[in-house]
Amino acid sequence: AQKITQTQPGMFVQEKEAVTLDCTYDTSDQSYGLFWYKQPSSGEMIFLIYQGSYDEQNATEGRYSLNFQKARKSANLVISASQLGDSAMYFCAMREGTTGGFKTIFGAGTRLFVKA
Amino acid sequence: NAGVTQTPKFQVLKTGQSMTLQCAQDMNHEYMSWYRQDPGMGLRLIHYSVGAGITDQGEVPNGYNVSRSTTEDFPLRLLSAAPSQTSVYFCASSRSAGLAYEQYFGPGTRLTVT
Repeated sequence: AQKITQTQPGMFVQEKEAVTLDCTYDTSDQSYGLFWYKQPSSGEMIFLIYQGSYDEQNATEGRYSLNFQKARKSANLVISASQLGDSAMYFCAMREGTTGGFKTIFGAGTRLFVKA
Repeated sequence: NAGVTQTPKFQVLKTGQSMTLQCAQDMNHEYMSWYRQDPGMGLRLIHYSVGAGITDQGEVPNGYNVSRSTTEDFPLRLLSAAPSQTSVYFCASSRSAGLAYEQYFGPGTRLTVT
């Protein structure tokens, strides 16, 4: 069965430093997509970055990069040069292919606090 | 485009009452989902649909029904509300069930069952 695990309920980072948010997943499907979303205190969900299971290069979007280690089934989010506005909940998500019926499931999330 | 809209924003129900949470999108997206968000548990998938006329169960479907008669609308019905269904409900859509398509989320409905 699909599963997403985010083991860090909360993280602190100093402004301008980099931070890594962990995500591991479990799937029997060979084809899947991995996503990260941000949820600020206002409550909306914001898409950050995507990585496909067959992508050979790690995805990058501005200050966000995804450290994809397929053999370890991990898809960690790296935020470089943290800003105060990065303080939020971060969710890792996975969409499986045909085996999983194209469900998209989420992890429990990591709350990031950026300190000035 | 309004994106994904959800109504109502807030709702209080008594145990045993039924209601429908509305979700609509104007992006011609094929794929739509309903999630509930509870503290410490992230977003849990209730039901989802890969296209009009097709629905399937997610992780926590019990107590909820859905239908998808049009591409735009994906209502979620609570059959007999229970306090355990107190939560924030999010509707989301994506262009298709394809693996690379991110989801767009509505603003959420905060439901309290007393």
